[in-house]
Amino acid sequence: DIRMSQSPSSLSASIGDTVTITCRASQGISNNLAWFQQKPGKAPKSLIYGATSLQSGVPLKFSGSGSGTDFTLTITNLQPEDFATYYCQQYGSYPLTFGGGTKVDIK
Amino acid sequence: EVYLLESGGGFVEPGGTRRLSCAASGVTFSDHAMSWVRQTAEKGLEWVAIINGRGGGIMYADSVKGRFTISRDNTKNTLYLEMNSLTADDTAVYYCAARGSGTLDYWGQGSLVTVSS
Repeated sequence: DIRMSQSPSSLSASIGDTVTITCRASQGISNNLAWFQQKPGKAPKSLIYGATSLQSGVPLKFSGSGSGTDFTLTITNLQPEDFATYYCQQYGSYPLTFGGGTKVDIK
Repeated sequence: EVYLLESGGGFVEPGGTRRLSCAASGVTFSDHAMSWVRQTAEKGLEWVAIINGRGGGIMYADSVKGRFTISRDNTKNTLYLEMNSLTADDTAVYYCAARGSGTLDYWGQGSLVTVSS
């Protein structure tokens, strides 16, 4: 199975900040990487697929980069609605696997 | 807009059986591969199973293989997960998810299954 490692596991940031979350795959997955946002009590919401492509309706403040084993999610101009937990997920091979999550909270 | 609604969760005793359903609307259901994903605070998000739009291409996580069965009825726009020989480790919120451009692009709101005596 491909292991997905996210860092940091949590971070504190202020309104207006830019944050970057890193995801590393235990083996190459090309660009078969998705990012999700989850708020307490809600289902995950897909933000990015194919490592860099935004889902319809997702604001441009979210961006993804990377290929192979190393990926990043960047969120600019943090707003209150962006404070949530973010997960990466690989779909390069089965079983599909997720990172452990990064909780972004308010400093 | 794609809308997915899970049902069938609840309490079940160890060794018992439970069937989850996921009703889809706002989408041509047969065009979409569908997955089940579960989540616990301890283990995080865990993919469970996938089925393609025509009911084939079925794959399972090792943790549920031989105990869980994924199926779909495209005439009813509904996805199912039959869960047998349940243990406490199967306690989780179960989500159905539809493939779009990625693999898990649209999610239901989740259904809690609690395995306990």
